[in-house]
Amino acid sequence: GAVVSQHPSRVICKSGTSVKIECRSLDFQATTMFWYRQFPKQSLMLMATSNEGSKATYEQGVEKDKFLINHASLTLSTLTVTSAHPEDSSFYICSARGRLPSGNTIYFGEGSWLTVV
Amino acid sequence: LAKTTQPISMDSYEGQEVNITCSHNNIATNDYITWYQQFPSQGPRFIIQEYKTKVTNEVASLFIPADRKSSTLSLPRVSLSDTAVYYCLVRSGAGSYQLTFGKGTKLSVIP
Repeated sequence: GAVVSQHPSRVICKSGTSVKIECRSLDFQATTMFWYRQFPKQSLMLMATSNEGSKATYEQGVEKDKFLINHASLTLSTLTVTSAHPEDSSFYICSARGRLPSGNTIYFGEGSWLTVV
Repeated sequence: LAKTTQPISMDSYEGQEVNITCSHNNIATNDYITWYQQFPSQGPRFIIQEYKTKVTNEVASLFIPADRKSSTLSLPRVSLSDTAVYYCLVRSGAGSYQLTFGKGTKLSVIP
């Protein structure tokens, strides 16, 4: 299947700082990317949907000024957690869909663990 | 988006066939049914997807009755490495393809 890669896989940052997580589609052009957050033993929660070249659409309750999403190219989307706090510590996962070979299937990245201390 | 309901957990012995059934009563005409597998601290891995009837790949089979209000993921001869959470999702065949995750089914394979 198509490959979606996230970086970094783990990151620790100090409270009040910002951290950026990258999501890349390695072998297809991602017209749409999605960002999820998952707390331990819980399901994935959709945070936002982003289409290449346009502003992200955030789910209700997700602060767009805190979770900045940029989808500047067809292969890269970034999630920046600004002014991070310990409660932002979570597993962040991106997914992408695009044209062939991804077709109409959505593929997920490996996830990124964020720990705010 | 159609809501899905699936068992919270299932146990199976190694080598057995496992069938996980998911209900999606309000599935829309152009919705697809898709299943993902997730191991701890990993992103979901695509298993199988179909619109109607049946599809089989190297990993699993997906059975969908005519009314499409439910679907069954069949895993042949499970092994310990199949222990994971399995998510049944319904996604639109048009638009953003947004996926909304439910709680999934925690499959535990026992030696």
